[in-house]
Amino acid sequence: EPEVTQTPSHQVTQMGQEVILRCVPISNHLYFYWYRQILGQKVEFLVSFYNNEISEKSEIFDDQFSVERPDGSNFTLKIRSTKLEDSAMYFCASSETSRGANVLTFGAGSRLTVL
Amino acid sequence: EDKVVQSPLSLVVHEGDTVTLNCSYEVTNFRSLLWYKQEKKAPTFLFMLTSSGIEKKSGRLSSILDKKELFSILNITATQTGDSAVYLCAPTDSWGKFQFGAGTQVVVTP
Repeated sequence: EPEVTQTPSHQVTQMGQEVILRCVPISNHLYFYWYRQILGQKVEFLVSFYNNEISEKSEIFDDQFSVERPDGSNFTLKIRSTKLEDSAMYFCASSETSRGANVLTFGAGSRLTVL
Repeated sequence: EDKVVQSPLSLVVHEGDTVTLNCSYEVTNFRSLLWYKQEKKAPTFLFMLTSSGIEKKSGRLSSILDKKELFSILNITATQTGDSAVYLCAPTDSWGKFQFGAGTQVVVTP
């Protein structure tokens, strides 16, 4: 069964460092997303991406964050100058469509720990 | 402002019990409601509901949507320890944006 893959599964970084989280969406999916889940809290939308540009972003997704599709398969989330409160599980998701009744398929997540 | 409220926040049941999870929502331009199961890591898809009153079933799980009263129910019958997880409700709007509820943590004890 097709799946969304994410790397690394866990990254520990020092405050102020930059991290890049990587995702390989399902190959025939056109819409890509990043979500965040702080431990014990709800899954929060960060950003959606289509046709090589951001289609929507939340208030959380400020200038500290950026996304990129550097080639035909990877979709990355960059977090600059990490803060303690950036510690969370980051989920990548993809879907075939964005409008109407669509299903998001999630990756296993990348756990980010900022010390 | 869009809102998704799940109840109860958590519950503990014995194997074989039936559980009913609730999700109420207020979403502008509502299009569908999805249920996900989250164990240790990624949410996995359970159901997508778009029409009122039509029950969807998958084994011991079933779900129904009421678009007039703006809620959905997820039922699990004859629970097993493998059903222990957080169950997430996520209504979507016509633009495909998902809003997740805080989830209901279900613990099934042997």
